[in-house]
Amino acid sequence: DAKTTQPPSMDCAEGRAANLPCNHSTISGNEYVYWYRQIHSQGPQYIIHGLKNNETNEMASLIITEDRKSSTLILPHATLRDTAVYYCIVRVAGGNAGNMLTFGGGTRLMVKP
Amino acid sequence: GAVVSQHPSRVICKSGTSVKIECRSLDFQATTMFWYRQFPKQSLMLMATSNEGSKATYEQGVEKDKFLINHASLTLSTLTVTSAHPEDSSFYICSAQYRNEKLFFGSGTQLSVL
Repeated sequence: DAKTTQPPSMDCAEGRAANLPCNHSTISGNEYVYWYRQIHSQGPQYIIHGLKNNETNEMASLIITEDRKSSTLILPHATLRDTAVYYCIVRVAGGNAGNMLTFGGGTRLMVKP
Repeated sequence: GAVVSQHPSRVICKSGTSVKIECRSLDFQATTMFWYRQFPKQSLMLMATSNEGSKATYEQGVEKDKFLINHASLTLSTLTVTSAHPEDSSFYICSAQYRNEKLFFGSGTQLSVL
């Protein structure tokens, strides 16, 4: 699986949009971009994933650049409960070997009042 | 979304005892489950891949006799930490594959060995 690079920490004001970047310059054509987050002392929570088109769900939006070498997770209106470590992961969907998720350091997002 | 239940959420045990952690996929069948370990302020580290009906595959450096994994059914995998020692104290997390797309995670088990 391709390696990802994320800033170690970010701050965001409550109610504002949080934009979390991720670089994955060695991503392969069949690798998806996944985002998970982990709130303190809990298991990671799935947020969103995409291949090349932008995606949106009830939690967030995922913007993937045209060359797929980077992406941005957008939380449109951050709340204090969004304070967590956010992990960007690229992996091949399907198949046993491709299901392993390799977690990097993630971005520690602190939402402040 | 799919639910993965992990139990217990917290366990304190004496050194030398064994501890069993259960991971259940509640509303879907999971042929493959994964076990991770996480130390404070560090990222998740994959320990092993649990395959239903076959032996688990362990990552390099993980002792298979120390961390026994059983995946007896399509909805249950167990991790047993045998003869636990204080250095085994950690946050253990399981995950299960859903429809070849997503992995859903349990809520984790905080193990403290005295």
